[in-house]
Amino acid sequence: GQNIDQPTEMTATEGAIVQINCTYQTSGFNGLFWYQQHAGEAPTFLSYNVLDGLEEKGRFSSFLSRSKGYSYLLLKELQMKDSASYLCADHTGGFKTIFGAGTRLFVKA
Amino acid sequence: DADVTQTPRNRITKTGKRIMLECSQTKGHDRMYWYRQDPGLGLRLIYYSFDVKDINKGEISDGYSVSRQAQAKFSLSLESAIPNQTALYFCATSPTGDQPQHFGDGTRLSIL
Repeated sequence: GQNIDQPTEMTATEGAIVQINCTYQTSGFNGLFWYQQHAGEAPTFLSYNVLDGLEEKGRFSSFLSRSKGYSYLLLKELQMKDSASYLCADHTGGFKTIFGAGTRLFVKA
Repeated sequence: DADVTQTPRNRITKTGKRIMLECSQTKGHDRMYWYRQDPGLGLRLIYYSFDVKDINKGEISDGYSVSRQAQAKFSLSLESAIPNQTALYFCATSPTGDQPQHFGDGTRLSIL
């Protein structure tokens, strides 16, 4: 997506913590989604941030700064099954959601 | 049974053929979407519909058309397929724009 920037690939070790960053254009911004997508499968919803701050859901947390146009997804206690693509998506103006190209995360033993 | 069902799951066809991809949902959501996914480009919106009488173009609608036959059904057509339409196609639904989208399992389309 042309409005969304996130790293193409990241590698991390099993048991570690990894942070996946995402920047977006702030015009018309309503909220920020994160989805997980395993290779060849459908994206599945992880989180939606509207207000500034950190929201925690088990091993996964998501942070938003509206003034900076910045979000990150934090994955703790990494497991091999966390190897997937993580899609950042910008919800604007009630009409559509713009997806980033995704960050491919490789978790190694 | 899946909440969002896409058919077919895989299709190989030739340039110039007309192709229809079907999507049906049991979630009762008003909003439905068609995306294509290409390596390195992420999900790109082709068309979206807010209800049966509402159809809107997305960022890459050229070469595609859609039909919203009922609240539960949203089909995507390629009138005359070309090789650069080879991609993974996803249908998705949501109740409103600020709630998560629910995706089908995808249709892998190859055009020779």
